[in-house]
Parts: sequence; structure tokens; C-alpha cells
Amino acid sequence: TQLLEQSPQFLSIQEGENLTVYCNSSSVFSSLQWYRQEPGEGPVLLVTVVTGGEVKKLKRLTFQFGDARKDSSLHITAAQPGDTGLYLCAGARGGSNYKLTFGKGTLLTVNP
Amino acid sequence: DTGVSQNPRHKITKRGQNVTFRCDPISEHNRLYWYRQTLGQGPEFLTYFQNEAQLEKSRLLSDRFSAERPKGSFSTLEIQRTEQGDSAMYLCASSPGRISGNTIYFGEGSWLTVV
Repeated sequence: TQLLEQSPQFLSIQEGENLTVYCNSSSVFSSLQWYRQEPGEGPVLLVTVVTGGEVKKLKRLTFQFGDARKDSSLHITAAQPGDTGLYLCAGARGGSNYKLTFGKGTLLTVNP
Repeated sequence: DTGVSQNPRHKITKRGQNVTFRCDPISEHNRLYWYRQTLGQGPEFLTYFQNEAQLEKSRLLSDRFSAERPKGSFSTLEIQRTEQGDSAMYLCASSPGRISGNTIYFGEGSWLTVV
């Protein structure tokens, strides 16, 4: 059973388009982190959200943590080829904030 | 560069051989983690250290795997008698260990291929 479901699994869009990827769970998380990973490399942290309803912006990326802290979304405005990569969400639960549970990721391809 | 450093980045080994990976965490991070990632999957937790103490081990970590962090700084992950199923990327990560918002930073990973 996958604790964190990410959708879509694959996404291919043209440069300039907007997109949203989702991270859903039936479990409550004390914090949730989004990472971007390129082939053969480790995940690079984009953002950490800890408060239900929290919205964080990182240039063209907008992250939202659901009110109930069970889900999150990542919205990218005017996507660029440099945004191509695997987007992973990872949650930490309650007293186990030292251990992350990852989704399988959304593989984004932005075509020029 | 003050990020998490791992080496070697790539290792090809024959089945049955032992391999060891090293991780240098971000300085002053007292928590260190090992994760494993296979193709098409997100990383999976293997084990974690608070300073030099290994506080949790996943069931994924069989008896052939051992991790150490002898002085609370760098860590090693050794795999004995490697099997083809051990082929994966082994990721090290570290964090400052705050109670709230314990952000975890990953290294670039060590790719293992067992042939």
C-alpha cells in the first residue's frame, strides 16, 4: 500500500504552459517536503510545509499544504525546459519526523 | 560546498563481493539517514543515526547490511555478500534534528550495480 499517492505519474507539456501535480494520502503528516530529482542524482529539496493550509511560493512554483495536512499540491507557472525532472513529495508523521515516506513521484518533461 | 557528500558515486561489483559507501553529512547536523531508491520508485528509509547512535533500522535492512557512524560525523554503509537485488541508488541525508520542520537534505547518491 502506497502511503503517498502522486498524480499524474507522467506529464509532458510545452514550454510556457502551467501545470499542477498532486500528492495525496489518507494519513496526516506533521510536515511535508517537495524534492526535485534529476536522473542519476539525489533529490534536491524545494520546500518544507508544516502548517495546514500553508502556501509557499518559490519563484514560479507554488506549494500548498492541505488544511487537514493529508495532501499537497505543486503548481508551476509558465514551465521551462529547466523544470524537467522527477518531483517527489515526502511526508513525516507525528513523532517519527526523522523518517520520510516518499511517493513514487511525477516525471515532468517540458518540451521547448 | 557544504552539502551532503557521498562516495563513491558509482560502484559495479560482482555478486558475492562486499561494498562500502561513505557519507559526510552537512556539518553540525546531528541526524544522518540512509535511504535506498530503485528505478521508478521513491526513496525508501533504511536507517537513521542521532549522533553516533543508530536509533532505527528498517526491515529492508537485512543482516548483510551494516551502517556505522563511529564519531557522530561521517557514516559508512557496508553490504556484505552482495546480491543482484541490492542494485539501487543508496542515498545519504542529514538534518539538524529540530522537533518541528525537520528538513532533510540528501546527497547525490551512490549507485550500486551488482553483476
